[in-house]
Amino acid sequence: TQLLEQSPQFLSIQEGENLTVYCNSSSVFSSLQWYRQEPGEGPVLLVTVVTGGEVKKLKRLTFQFGDARKDSSLHITAAQPGDTGLYLCAGASYNTDKLIFGTGTRLQVFP
Amino acid sequence: SAVISQKPSRDICQRGTSLTIQCQVDSQVTMMFWYRQQPGQSLTLIATANQGSEATYESGFVIDKFPISRPNLTFSTLTVSNMSPEDSSIYLCSVGGHLLNYGYTFGSGTRLTVV
Repeated sequence: TQLLEQSPQFLSIQEGENLTVYCNSSSVFSSLQWYRQEPGEGPVLLVTVVTGGEVKKLKRLTFQFGDARKDSSLHITAAQPGDTGLYLCAGASYNTDKLIFGTGTRLQVFP
Repeated sequence: SAVISQKPSRDICQRGTSLTIQCQVDSQVTMMFWYRQQPGQSLTLIATANQGSEATYESGFVIDKFPISRPNLTFSTLTVSNMSPEDSSIYLCSVGGHLLNYGYTFGSGTRLTVV
């Protein structure tokens, strides 16, 4: 069974601070995605990374896919209260296209 | 990217009854995925629904409890059978994969409360 462990599980920070969320697995994925989910809503896709070593930037968010395609990180610069939410990484299986979700990181940014 | 219409959006059900959740996609897709999200937790894959064959269930999920239909390439249903309070969760359908440029789209979810 493919498992994706995220760390930290919970994160409470002040506005303006930087943070990094990690997503680790022993499995290799064809692609890895990051989602943010707010209460009462479905997950919203932030980014998809496909190539090992790939780095993508989305405004204050930087995503990296590990060289071996087993892990990923999400870095947020100068966090804002609007960044508050549940962040989920998800890896796609090569053979089945199944998307397996990580354990989740709940971020709270205080003004 | 595909657009999914999922219903109902929420329901409150009596224990022992069953609820069928529907997902309609605006384009033909080979596979549809069903997830459960228990309160405060991440998403767990229940099963993969292929058109024309039986669904493939993940460990811990069985067909008798979560029967799935996939009558065509744009529609699927998930039934939660003989419900108990432990089944109270959000259920989501999804489509995606390498044939869709690794994009995955999710329905808006069904919030189920079993009393």
